[in-house]
Amino acid sequence: ILNVEQSPQSLHVQEGDSTNFTCSFPSSNFYALHWYRWETAKSPEALFVMTLNGDEKKKGRISATLNTKEGYSYLYIKGSQPEDSATYLCALTQGGSEKLVFGKGTKLTVNP
Amino acid sequence: DTEVTQTPKHLVMGMTNKKSLKCEQHMGHRAMYWYKQKAKKPPELMFVYSYEKLSINESVPSRFSPECPNSSLLNLHLHALQPEDSALYLCASSQVGRPEQYFGPGTRLTVT
Repeated sequence: ILNVEQSPQSLHVQEGDSTNFTCSFPSSNFYALHWYRWETAKSPEALFVMTLNGDEKKKGRISATLNTKEGYSYLYIKGSQPEDSATYLCALTQGGSEKLVFGKGTKLTVNP
Repeated sequence: DTEVTQTPKHLVMGMTNKKSLKCEQHMGHRAMYWYKQKAKKPPELMFVYSYEKLSINESVPSRFSPECPNSSLLNLHLHALQPEDSALYLCASSQVGRPEQYFGPGTRLTVT
């Protein structure tokens, strides 16, 4: 069974705080690691897809890093805003498969 | 158009009903997916269609019947469901061979 683990499960921060979450996954047969942002009643929004060890990607105040050798990725949010409140999902694709295997997500709440 | 649309948004059905969920995209993607998400669990893959042919069935019970009538549409036909099938059903699409998947907002299904 392929396990993608995310921590923490939930996180409450104050507006302006910077925060980060972790996604860990089996490093064998790695193809791609995805981060999605999912607000209630909306479509999961793709943030990043990373394929190379050492990849770093940035989108505004959000950035992500990837270590495929040790099987982890970090998502960072700088200067959190209330509109960043959402569940952040990571998902793994292994080589030769079209299947996304998701973690359970980290639910972020940013208090004004 | 970078949107995946799903109808209906909500569906309540009895165990003897027959209903269908619909998914549509106009991004020219030739891979389409159905995922099921139960409360407090990650989305789980059900089916993958590639070039309108079923390529992956994750051992889904036959009371769920997928159909891909053309490259833009994906249906999920439901018959004789059980209450435990109540969940959020997500559709996604991608270019064949590319890891990025684009999701719709889902259909919230309740089986009574």
